[in-house]
Amino acid sequence: DTAVSQTPKYLVTQMGNDKSIKCEQNLGHDTMYWYKQDSKKFLKIMFSYNNKELIINETVPNRFSPKSPDKAHLNLHINSLELGDSAVYFCASRLRRGGIQETQYFGPGTRLLVL
Amino acid sequence: GESVGLHLPTLSVQEGDNSIINCAYSNSASDYFIWYKQESGKGPQFIIDIRSNMDKRQGQRVTVLLNKTVKHLSLQIAATQPGDSAVYFCAEIEYNQGGKLIFGQGTELSVKP
Repeated sequence: DTAVSQTPKYLVTQMGNDKSIKCEQNLGHDTMYWYKQDSKKFLKIMFSYNNKELIINETVPNRFSPKSPDKAHLNLHINSLELGDSAVYFCASRLRRGGIQETQYFGPGTRLLVL
Repeated sequence: GESVGLHLPTLSVQEGDNSIINCAYSNSASDYFIWYKQESGKGPQFIIDIRSNMDKRQGQRVTVLLNKTVKHLSLQIAATQPGDSAVYFCAEIEYNQGGKLIFGQGTELSVKP
């Protein structure tokens, strides 16, 4: 059974396009995250939602807009894609009310390539 | 041996040897630290964690050491196996920051059979 799933796994698109990445978790967690991993493998937090409420919003261009329709889903929409958006995007989830020690579980990643 | 530079730091070890992966963290207020393992083409996977009020924690074949004085974290893997080959990340969390993980640079571990 997949705990945190992302679609699509690969996404190749042209500059200027708008695209969405979807994330779903079946762990009953209340908090979800988006991370970006660059070509040097550096992982950085982008957003976090707790019970559909935005709680973390790092310095990310406003072309990136997360949407959480319910606790089990956190989608990422990207407008006007740029070459620098090429990266691997990871979704993660956690049970926040369980306390700081609650593990974040990561999805398999979406590999975005902007041409 | 270990190399650090513009590329991802790498550590190459012989199968059966012990591995030590080091990490320097930045925030003295961090409450909680985690090591993640990322295999090629996959997402990070939890290995072991440690709270800031501890200096050592052991798991199965892995040990994490925390030195708050110098803000240093290490992961020791005993009897390293080919399946341990991956990129290893340390991460820190500050309690009042919504649980966001601040990741270190990552170290690529390569195990030679």
